[in-house]
Amino acid sequence: ETGVTQSPTHLIKTRGQQVTLRCSSQSGHNTVSWYQQALGQGPQFIFQYYREEENGRGNFPPRFSGLQFPNYSSELNVNALELDDSALYLCASTPGSGADTQYFGPGTRLTVL
Amino acid sequence: GESVGLHLPTLSVQEGDNSIINCAYSNSASDYFIWYKQESGKGPQFIIDIRSNMDKRQGQRVTVLLNKTVKHLSLQIAATQPGDSAVYFCAEIKSGGATNKLIFGTGTLLAVQP
Repeated sequence: ETGVTQSPTHLIKTRGQQVTLRCSSQSGHNTVSWYQQALGQGPQFIFQYYREEENGRGNFPPRFSGLQFPNYSSELNVNALELDDSALYLCASTPGSGADTQYFGPGTRLTVL
Repeated sequence: GESVGLHLPTLSVQEGDNSIINCAYSNSASDYFIWYKQESGKGPQFIIDIRSNMDKRQGQRVTVLLNKTVKHLSLQIAATQPGDSAVYFCAEIKSGGATNKLIFGTGTLLAVQP
């Protein structure tokens, strides 16, 4: 176990709805990254938070947004859900913002109907 | 654009044999590489990493080889066990940038036959 936890484990939403996913990072880790993993593919980087600030973003539209809290836990928010947003959403934490190993949580499986 | 790809989408081996999973990367500026194992319904699990100033690194039953000349990475698993059955991803990072983002390939499914 990595010590990274995510909630909920599964979620079903309909198109147009909004969703919030949560992540608690490993103790001592101040950097959290979010990834989207479509079925049968590798994870794709969404964005990263370091000390409560967004520290880089992948090729995802603005309806994907996030937050990081003072305890370094994080949220991923997705507005106006689309069918293609159905995926496994992974959170990973790192001790710092440099090139360090990222430790992943178990993910949240989001299904959009 | 940047990409990390795998040569073999599926690898089937007999229990006890050695497994070799290959990965090609396209960004010659990447200097840190990680292998992850992902079992069904779970998040990626760190296996082993290597930095670009090394060409080989060994762990418990696993070895990672890095060939920067041809931009190739491999994961060797010794005495493969049924519990090794999973999808394996290589991922790369280019350090020194503002963001520590992993670039993943599509993965190789390792199937261990008893």
